[in-house]
Amino acid sequence: QSALTQPASVSGTPGQSITIPCTGTTSDVGTYKVVSWYQQHPGQAPKLMIYEVTERPSGISNRFSGSKSGSTASLTISGLQAEDEADYYCCSYAGGSTWVFGGGTKLTVL
Amino acid sequence: QVQLVQSESEVKKPGSSVKVSCKASGGTFSTYPINWVRQAPGQGLQWMGRIVPFVDIANYAQKFQGRVTINADKSATTAYIELSSLTSEDTAVYYCARAPGTYNSDPFDIWGQGTMVTVSS
Repeated sequence: QSALTQPASVSGTPGQSITIPCTGTTSDVGTYKVVSWYQQHPGQAPKLMIYEVTERPSGISNRFSGSKSGSTASLTISGLQAEDEADYYCCSYAGGSTWVFGGGTKLTVL
Repeated sequence: QVQLVQSESEVKKPGSSVKVSCKASGGTFSTYPINWVRQAPGQGLQWMGRIVPFVDIANYAQKFQGRVTINADKSATTAYIELSSLTSEDTAVYYCARAPGTYNSDPFDIWGQGTMVTVSS
């Protein structure tokens, strides 16, 4: 179970849109429509932002959206705000009741 | 609303074992899977395993097979993870995280505050 691949960092200016890709394999992202995204601010526990590729939990802004094509899932944040600056992790079901995370992406709001 | 409260930080010697607890309060415990995820300093998240307390079935990441045990005490609404043969590479924050159901599609929606485990001689 290798970690999913994410860029180490992305950046954007307030109001812009950014997209964070998450690349897996046919053993995880490519096979299962079970990708979730987590936001983590320094010193805090992760927070669920997207589940089942495109679904938003109650209370999560519609500025956050998810998609998937083949073995790559993506998180898009529109209308960037300073508070969006955080680390973001994707996570996929990998079969056999196991899950795998991405390496994480640090989002900087310039 | 369910809350997960974890045990305090630990400092362990190389070669020893550590057991971290995760107590659930405010909701049903045994029906929902509890997952364990760790994060080494400055590193990403790593899924370690999970347990479904109701049926007492645990699954583990291949990387930790044979070195990790996850169990639960339904009466105490508490899940545990025990990691043995510790090395400095096990120094990390260990999180428990609940899934709202037993389907594989259920995400990790509620997280504990994390427990820092430091392995040092």
